[in-house]
Amino acid sequence: NAGVMQNPRHLVRRRGQEARLRCSPMKGHSHVYWYRQLPEEGLKFMVYLQKENIIDESGMPKERFSAEFPKEGPSILRIQQVVRGDSAAYFCASSPPGSGTDTQYFGPGTRLTVL
Amino acid sequence: SQQGEEDPQALSIQEGENATMNCSYKTSINNLQWYRQNSGRGLVHLILIRSNEREKHSGRLRVTLDTSKKSSSLLITASRAADTASYFCATVTSGNTPLVFGKGTRLSVIA
Repeated sequence: NAGVMQNPRHLVRRRGQEARLRCSPMKGHSHVYWYRQLPEEGLKFMVYLQKENIIDESGMPKERFSAEFPKEGPSILRIQQVVRGDSAAYFCASSPPGSGTDTQYFGPGTRLTVL
Repeated sequence: SQQGEEDPQALSIQEGENATMNCSYKTSINNLQWYRQNSGRGLVHLILIRSNEREKHSGRLRVTLDTSKKSSSLLITASRAADTASYFCATVTSGNTPLVFGKGTRLSVIA
């Protein structure tokens, strides 16, 4: 059973470009969470999704950021018109149905660098 | 908002010594979890302790929880160089709320 997969592992964008980060949850997991980690900081929650539904987006910036988890395919975190402050590591986690947020399995992260 | 605050921010010990890290939080919780992150890597779940539990063990790890003081500690006994990593506590306030992480303790174990 493969773990949570994220790609790309490293992403470089210039200011104003779009960044798309992908997360494939563990097999059988229907809950996906996105977190952002700035250097020397802990992880900050961004958004919690189930298949085709956004459950909690209280940590998402109001502009430029969006997330989806379609019926088929990976979850996507999309950042439009990136700025230098978006440079961070973005982690995805997944959990199985019914587990609440007790047990989350984390992916290796995508490190976004905005030039 | 930051819920957990780890203390100390950084800790350097000799191999074989014990390492103790503390976490304080602000609001009532359903459970508290500890994670390890090696440099440049993802997080690894270490242990979960529920609000009605006071102590849990897993191998060389011992976690305590004091809900009256809103604090938890992680003890790593007989540390090894491979334990060098950042350690984060994360709290869950209710069943489906997201994890809220502290800033972490950077542990260095010197061989």
